[in-house]
Amino acid sequence: EAQVTQNPRYLITVTGKKLTVTCSQNMNHEYMSWYRQDPGLGLRQIYYSMNVEVTDKGDVPEGYKVSRKEKRNFPLILESPSPNQTSLYFCASTNSMLEQYFGPGTRLTVT
Amino acid sequence: KQEVTQIPAALSVPEGENLVLNCSFTDSAIYNLQWFRQDPGKGLTSLLLIQSSQREQTSGRLNASLDKSSGRSTLYIAASQPGDSATYLCAVRRYGGATNKLIFGTGTLLAVQP
Repeated sequence: EAQVTQNPRYLITVTGKKLTVTCSQNMNHEYMSWYRQDPGLGLRQIYYSMNVEVTDKGDVPEGYKVSRKEKRNFPLILESPSPNQTSLYFCASTNSMLEQYFGPGTRLTVT
Repeated sequence: KQEVTQIPAALSVPEGENLVLNCSFTDSAIYNLQWFRQDPGKGLTSLLLIQSSQREQTSGRLNASLDKSSGRSTLYIAASQPGDSATYLCAVRRYGGATNKLIFGTGTLLAVQP
């Protein structure tokens, strides 16, 4: 089944403790991206990647890092999480027709 | 700057009704438009993708139309069911390929009453 997977789905952590949210797609898509969704603010893009080793900032990149060492994986790294990064996070991949597919989401709470 | 607006923000209808959700965008230079469905706390499910050269797309009980010149798209849901209850989001992608991110609308929260 063609899909985007994310792990973990739920995460509660403390301020300053580094964490990584993994994202993987099995559709051989070159373009992947990360979004966060907050009430009243909608979906905002954090980072995107056009291909392996090619990444760029989206609208709200502060406090986040990404890497793209393999085509299928695009992890989101929070080096020192803070409470304002509490949010619902989505990974997405895009096919050649520029149709976007989203993962199931990761609900992160930083205390 | 592209802005995407969806009206109404919320809609409640009895089961079996046909309904229309509206999406408007300010910049007509779009590559495509995509409709999504999101259940509470869940991911976004792609419903329909309309390329800029197309006027409409259909999938089952769903029909989406696109009028670039007026900056509007509609999502028509026929014979609504309680399982259709969700938030519906439209998103547009500008010309320039994948480097241009999707710009999301504000969403319409749909409740279909049994």
